[in-house]
Amino acid sequence: DAKTTQPPSMDCAEGRAANLPCNHSTISGNEYVYWYRQIHSQGPQYIIHGLKNNETNEMASLIITEDRKSSTLILPHATLRDTAVYYCIVKGGTSYGKLTFGQGTILTVHP
Amino acid sequence: EPEVTQTPSHQVTQMGQEVILRCVPISNHLYFYWYRQILGQKVEFLVSFYNNEISEKSEIFDDQFSVERPDGSNFTLKIRSTKLEDSAMYFCASSVSGYNEKLFFGSGTQLSVL
Repeated sequence: DAKTTQPPSMDCAEGRAANLPCNHSTISGNEYVYWYRQIHSQGPQYIIHGLKNNETNEMASLIITEDRKSSTLILPHATLRDTAVYYCIVKGGTSYGKLTFGQGTILTVHP
Repeated sequence: EPEVTQTPSHQVTQMGQEVILRCVPISNHLYFYWYRQILGQKVEFLVSFYNNEISEKSEIFDDQFSVERPDGSNFTLKIRSTKLEDSAMYFCASSVSGYNEKLFFGSGTQLSVL
């Protein structure tokens, strides 16, 4: 699975959009980009995933660049409860649910 | 929303003792996993399980570890002879399918080996 690079930390004001970047320049054609988050040592929580098209669900939007070498997770209206570690994970289809977590980005949402 | 349930939430044991961590995956899920997270470190994959057998395991998952689905609802992780370095938060997860599917994680069992 391709390696990902994320900033170690980011801040965001409550009510504003949080844009979390991820680089995955070695991604291959059949690998998906997944985002999970972990709130204060709870179990990781799935947010969204995509292959090459932009995706949106009730939690967030995922923007993948045309060359697929980077992506951005957007939380449109961040709240204090969105303070968490956000993980960008690239995963192919050859392993059953084996997610390789990195250090992630610590997002702190301020009042 | 359905959730993965793990028990106990905390487990304290003496080095060398056997422990069993229990999980109830989401009822219609077919794939089951264990992950762990040592304090301050990354979440690490341990093992995946499907159709009553291990699909994949990491280097961490040595002979001291075993998994079992003893009935239609529970999924367990056994550590035969615990070591100090087994102290960690252990997360169970499940998914409907194995490919490009989202994993649902439980809230974890904090294992402390003394």
